[in-house]
Amino acid sequence: GESVGLHLPTLSVQEGDNSIINCAYSNSASDYFIWYKQESGKGPQFIIDIRSNMDKRQGQRVTVLLNKTVKHLSLQIAATQPGDSAVYFCAENIGGYQKVTFGIGTKLQVIP
Amino acid sequence: EAGVVQSPRYKIIEKKQPVAFWCNPISGHNTLYWYLQNLGQGPELLIRYENEEAVDDSQLPKDRFSAERLKGVDSTLKIQPAELGDSAVYLCASSLGTSGNTGELFFGEGSRLTVL
Repeated sequence: GESVGLHLPTLSVQEGDNSIINCAYSNSASDYFIWYKQESGKGPQFIIDIRSNMDKRQGQRVTVLLNKTVKHLSLQIAATQPGDSAVYFCAENIGGYQKVTFGIGTKLQVIP
Repeated sequence: EAGVVQSPRYKIIEKKQPVAFWCNPISGHNTLYWYLQNLGQGPELLIRYENEEAVDDSQLPKDRFSAERLKGVDSTLKIQPAELGDSAVYLCASSLGTSGNTGELFFGEGSRLTVL
């Protein structure tokens, strides 16, 4: 079936550098794409979302880019900090936040 | 504001035993979700409630899993009997639903189940 997936299982970055986490999706009918952050022993935490009719959205230190042509989603974290170390999941939603489907996840390791 | 509360945080049982997980969503959130998360993987939806109605339970193994959300607030997820493969983290989430401002899901810390 259609699913959301990630290219890189682990990403290591130096503190202060920018991080880019990528995600490929296959369901063209998704209305929203969402990024979640999950720290060890905790539940996922919403970071940012983007509607399917947008190609870019910025938050505080984070930017999400959506390329519908190649069905690609990315999360950019500026000036990565040790507190950013976590597993990041992209997720998609069809029908206005009713059914959220998660991908596998990328582990971000920040090197001090 | 209190977040989503789940209990127990950890549970160890022997196979074939029953187990139950409890979730208290954020006040006012109409939509409640139960997800299963295996190690190193993303959460997988088991069931979604709109108020007290289960509107999506297609991924719930109904031969051994059951859930309820009486009065449209708290919810309980039960497994009977548990199997070794049920070892995982069971996450509860809630959201305002389609009438909400952002639609983001708020997750609890999860209940980690180990079946021996």
